[in-house]
Amino acid sequence: KQEVTQIPAALSVPEGENLVLNCSFTDSAIYNLQWFRQDPGKGLTSLLLIQSSQREQTSGRLNASLDKSSGRSTLYIAASQPGDSATYLCAVGSSNTGKLIFGQGTTLQVKP
Amino acid sequence: SAVISQKPSRDICQRGTSLTIQCQVDSQVTMMFWYRQQPGQSLTLIATANQGSEATYESGFVIDKFPISRPNLTFSTLTVSNMSPEDSSIYLCSVGTGYEQYFGPGTRLTVT
Repeated sequence: KQEVTQIPAALSVPEGENLVLNCSFTDSAIYNLQWFRQDPGKGLTSLLLIQSSQREQTSGRLNASLDKSSGRSTLYIAASQPGDSATYLCAVGSSNTGKLIFGQGTTLQVKP
Repeated sequence: SAVISQKPSRDICQRGTSLTIQCQVDSQVTMMFWYRQQPGQSLTLIATANQGSEATYESGFVIDKFPISRPNLTFSTLTVSNMSPEDSSIYLCSVGTGYEQYFGPGTRLTVT
C-alpha cells in the first residue's frame, strides 16, 4: 500500500529565503507525482506535475524534482514571498486510473 | 486545464439529514473523483464517479452513505446521507484530464 509522507509538517521563514519541501513515498512504482497548493478553507491549485519518466519540472520560482528509486520528491521555492504562505500537498498517482494518494502537507508561513 | 465549480460552497446541517453536493466542469472529462478532507487532515479519496455506471468506492466508504451520480461527462453529485458530526469535512470534486488532476473549490460541511 502506497504511503506518502511530507516533512516538515510546518515551516516558518523570513521573506526572500530559498526553501525546500520534502515528499517521500513507499512504493517507487508510481505513475506521476503532483504538487498542489491549498490556501486556508480553499480548494487545491495544481503547481507542478512530474511524470514517472521525468526528473524535474519548473514553473517560475518553483522547481520540483523526482527520484523514483529513492522514493523522494522535493519542491524548491526560490526567493520566498509572503504570498507563498499556504499548505503544500504532495500527491502520488500509482496508476493511470487517476487516483491520487496525498501526503499530510507542509504548512508554510513566509514572514515579511 | 479544467474549471470546476461546486455547490454549495458551505453548509451547516443537522445530524440525521442529507446533503447533496454538485460538481460542474467546463469541459467533458472521463475521470471525476470525490475526496474528503477532515479537519486538520489531508485528502482521502471517497470514490471514482463513472459516467453511465455505478461509482467505484474506496475502502471504508459505502454507497449507502455516499451515493454518487454521474449523469454526463460534465456533472456529478455526491450525497452525504444520515449525517453525523464526524462527517464535518471539506468535500472536493476533482477531474483528470490526461495526466493532471484539477480540483474544485470544495464544499465545507458542518454537522451539528
